[in-house]
Amino acid sequence: QVQLVQSGPEVKKPGASVRVSCKVYGYTLTDLSMHWLRQAPGKGLEWMGSLNAEDTETIYAQKFQGRVTMTEDTSTDTAYMELSTLRSDDTAFYFCATGPMGYFDHWGQGSLVTVSS
Amino acid sequence: DIQMTQSPSTLSASVGDRVTITCRASQTISSWLAWYQQKPGKAPKLLIYQASSLQAGVPSRFSGSGSGTEFTLTISSLQPDDFATYYCQQYNSYSPLTFGGGTKVEI
Repeated sequence: QVQLVQSGPEVKKPGASVRVSCKVYGYTLTDLSMHWLRQAPGKGLEWMGSLNAEDTETIYAQKFQGRVTMTEDTSTDTAYMELSTLRSDDTAFYFCATGPMGYFDHWGQGSLVTVSS
Repeated sequence: DIQMTQSPSTLSASVGDRVTITCRASQTISSWLAWYQQKPGKAPKLLIYQASSLQAGVPSRFSGSGSGTEFTLTISSLQPDDFATYYCQQYNSYSPLTFGGGTKVEI
């Protein structure tokens, strides 16, 4: 059974960067495609991008191109999502999730990132 | 982008009611549609994938149907644990993967 455990809450100033981690238990990260999504407080779900397990290629939503970087450390089965040039509207819960075909059957618990001056 | 439109946005129901939520895609997505349930402060939970396949461990009162551009999620007899927000998601195209706006099922 896959379990995804994310890093804790972060508070950042506008213009800064944040890195959120997602550690995989019960499975090998190299066998999973890892996706990152976010949800602003009281709002809907937004897919940010994914890192393909087979070829380690990344695909990012155009909205986040140039600001987001998704990486993996296979030695620790940990995935990372870094978002740069933060703005107040980046305040959200950030989720890692995995799934076989572009839907998500396992989710992390979410990491709250607050952007405030 | 493929736009996903859910209706209604809010639904008032009672325990035992049959509940139907609709999701419409802006272009055909075959059967590449998933449904999720989300409770406050929690991550979403997968209910249905490929439009009508029930995820393991999900109660059989949940069912999905549809193909092309029109999809429905039905809860045959609403239980107290089912009061939550429901989202549809298309995975026909990664450019980008998109969700509906959500349907809140409340008492």
